[in-house]
Amino acid sequence: DAGVTQSPTHLIKTRGQQVTLRCSPKSGHDTVSWYQQALGQGPQFIFQYYEEEERQRGNFPDRFSGHQFPNYSSELNVNALLLGDSALYLCASRGRGPETQYFGPGTRLLVL
Amino acid sequence: EDQVTQSPEALRLQEGESSSLNCSYTVSGLRGLFWYRQDPGKGPEFLFTLYSAGEEKEKERLKATLTKKESFLHITAPKPEDSATYLCAGGGATNKLIFGTGTLLAVQP
Repeated sequence: DAGVTQSPTHLIKTRGQQVTLRCSPKSGHDTVSWYQQALGQGPQFIFQYYEEEERQRGNFPDRFSGHQFPNYSSELNVNALLLGDSALYLCASRGRGPETQYFGPGTRLLVL
Repeated sequence: EDQVTQSPEALRLQEGESSSLNCSYTVSGLRGLFWYRQDPGKGPEFLFTLYSAGEEKEKERLKATLTKKESFLHITAPKPEDSATYLCAGGGATNKLIFGTGTLLAVQP
């Protein structure tokens, strides 16, 4: 049973560029959430997708956008990158009913 | 405002020295209190979900408990491989997880 997968594992970008991160949920899960984790901090909720729509959003600017595909996989897009966007980006999935979210290994983004 | 606070920030134990980690929470419409383990540079690994006050769950050397305001992660006779950051999160009516900043546990042989 494959768990949550994310790609790429690491990414280096420069300020002003755009980035796309990808996530495949755990088998049988249909809800995907994205979190940003700065060094030494707990993960911060960005947004959640269910049935290809954004259902909840945290306190992140419109530069952060996402998409969910019919196969439940998801993308996170960040435009006009800032130095402060450097972080570990985590994807989590859950199924219907159980509240537990399972996390992927994350994508480490470094903005120079 | 929803908030989760963990203490201590860091804890150093000798192998076999039992202790507890604390998680205080204020989460509207709490639907679950979650514990995760995170190794450096990796994603959080699920440990426990607690749904109601008085509930307890165990896994190997770990036991999680829940009251109406706090959760505790008890570590009995820890081993060096238990060294990690332990994260607590509250899940409310909005389905998003509110995380604490974690407790960095170091177990020395």
